[in-house]
Amino acid sequence: SQTIHQWPATLVQPVGSPLSLECTVEGTSNPNLYWYRQAAGRGLQLLFYSVGIGQISSEVPQNLSASRPQDRQFILSSKKLLLSDSGFYLCAWSGQGGTEAFFGQGTRLTVV
Amino acid sequence: RKEVEQDPGPFNVPEGATVAFNCTYSNSASQSFFWYRQDCRKEPKLLMSVYSSGNEDGRFTAQLNRASQYISLLIRDSKLSDSATYLCVVTYSAGNMLTFGGGTRLMVKP
Repeated sequence: SQTIHQWPATLVQPVGSPLSLECTVEGTSNPNLYWYRQAAGRGLQLLFYSVGIGQISSEVPQNLSASRPQDRQFILSSKKLLLSDSGFYLCAWSGQGGTEAFFGQGTRLTVV
Repeated sequence: RKEVEQDPGPFNVPEGATVAFNCTYSNSASQSFFWYRQDCRKEPKLLMSVYSSGNEDGRFTAQLNRASQYISLLIRDSKLSDSATYLCVVTYSAGNMLTFGGGTRLMVKP
């Protein structure tokens, strides 16, 4: 069966520090991968999605970036965090062709 | 206009009540539709897919109206454990883009 791992579960980082969140998927090949952010009490905002290795689409301008170095690995990064980067970051995967998405447990990031 | 819109609620209902949520989408080329449930401070989890003919899973019924571009979720005999935020999800572009609505919060009271 397929599983998705996302870590860390919580993170407190100072303003200006770098960020790296990792997500890996097991049990499937060539998944679509997604990074979402959810501010407190708000909906999910799509940050990045990827349909294959090295293929990243960005949905909103920001100081975040994403990379997909391997088929089932998706990384969210920042060189310098801002206070506004605080939120709940969720990684998800879906199969090709309009299938449902499955989420990792999320990373709660607080920038102080 | 947002691509996928939901009434944020909250919907406060007593146990045993029937409650319905709607979700409208703007892109007529939308292909697939889903309802997710999200508990407080947790990740969203798939509740059910929404098929063109409508589908039912226990107390939950989902329907799609392509002409009016909305999907609905009906919950019968509400339980306290149904309290959560319900997210509508629509896919476009051969299924590679999942777009979420802002969610509808449901609170079921004893």
